[in-house]
Amino acid sequence: AAGVIQSPRHLIKEKRETATLKCYPIPRHDTVYWYQQGPGQDPQFLISFYEKMQSDKGSIPDRFSAQQFSDYHSELNMSSLELGDSALYFCASSLTLGQFFGPGTRLTVL
Amino acid sequence: GQQLNQSPQSMFIQEGEDVSMNCTSSSIFNTWLWYKQDPGEGPVLLIALYKAGELTSNGRLTAQFGITRKDSFLNISASIPSDVGIYFCAGQLRNNAGGTSYGKLTFGQGTILTVHP
Repeated sequence: AAGVIQSPRHLIKEKRETATLKCYPIPRHDTVYWYQQGPGQDPQFLISFYEKMQSDKGSIPDRFSAQQFSDYHSELNMSSLELGDSALYFCASSLTLGQFFGPGTRLTVL
Repeated sequence: GQQLNQSPQSMFIQEGEDVSMNCTSSSIFNTWLWYKQDPGEGPVLLIALYKAGELTSNGRLTAQFGITRKDSFLNISASIPSDVGIYFCAGQLRNNAGGTSYGKLTFGQGTILTVHP
């Protein structure tokens, strides 16, 4: 069965640079979620979109923005990167029940 | 905000033993989910619970949605080496709209499981 696709899988950036993470949900799933997971931490909710509209917002810095496009894929844009932004970023998708995670993007900020 | 307390933080067991872990919340959820995560990988959904009191099995895994809607437990029977990993509980307040449902997940701190052959 098709799973959530995330790209890139690994990303290395310098401080103050920008990064764009992409997420392709499971086909027919209409809701996308973004989570951030620091080393040894549990995933923390950032933002979600239902039918291309923002449905909820968590502890997402103002330097980050996201959107969901007409084909339901989503992009997380991160600007003015800081060392503390280094983490695993997961996208998850859902339709009715359950929430299914992608393999993640490991962002390293140097 | 909502907080989930997951225990134990870690477990070291022998192959063949049973395992039990649980999560408690300061507030109510209408959905409980259990995930397993391998290092550097995405969480994999193991079991989902949608009704208070519900008891659900998936192979050697059994999970229950507490009657108060503030807790859940996961049992693994007859553990095997490939059960090694980090197990997370997650609570969700699902919103229903037009045949679909959505809602962010709040995770527990995770239980690190080590299985000795």
